[in-house]
Amino acid sequence: DAGITQSPRYKITETGRQVTLMCHQTWSHSYMFWYRQDLGHGLRLIYYSAAADITDKGEVSDGYVVSRSKTENFPLTLESATRSQTSVYFCASKWQMNTEAFFGQGTRLTVV
Amino acid sequence: GESVGLHLPTLSVQEGDNSIINCAYSNSASDYFIWYKQESGKGPQFIIDIRSNMDKRQGQRVTVLLNKTVKHLSLQIAATQPGDSAVYFCAEKGANLSNNDMRFGAGTRLTVKP
Repeated sequence: DAGITQSPRYKITETGRQVTLMCHQTWSHSYMFWYRQDLGHGLRLIYYSAAADITDKGEVSDGYVVSRSKTENFPLTLESATRSQTSVYFCASKWQMNTEAFFGQGTRLTVV
Repeated sequence: GESVGLHLPTLSVQEGDNSIINCAYSNSASDYFIWYKQESGKGPQFIIDIRSNMDKRQGQRVTVLLNKTVKHLSLQIAATQPGDSAVYFCAEKGANLSNNDMRFGAGTRLTVKP
């Protein structure tokens, strides 16, 4: 299916475990983003990527790692999950600067 | 520091009425603004955008107004429908942000009463 998809939709993991959230887009958009959404904070940028093999930190990048070996994929890894990383994670992509971003449906992650 | 925020966290309107959702921004160098709609359990969905060289832009049933003098952005929804019930976010991109970093407000929940 065309668009941007995230997997899994829901994930429960234990503190200290490594977990990877997947993001795939079919538009060949150059830019991809990971946000987390917490009550009272809106969407906060974790990492973004301007192209394959180019990534940069956002506002809340501590504890997260990303990679972008292919244009269409942008996985987000929590190296050692903490309870404070319990959140809803959104992946987004866009074609150019100053254009709208298209969001995936989100991954609800719970760290216990 | 710079921030994007909303005047009202919740808004309740009668079906058929017009809705106005407000957003204040503090970065006078911001040059691009977007409104997103987020329904329960879904990702944000683009509604309309506006660049800083404009003060008004219209879409289908929606209008965005930008007042750079007071750093204020608003979203007007005409003839609000039950399907408009959602959380609405404004987002800005400005000179202090990376070229592709949008800063989002906390959101306003719009509830449409039948």
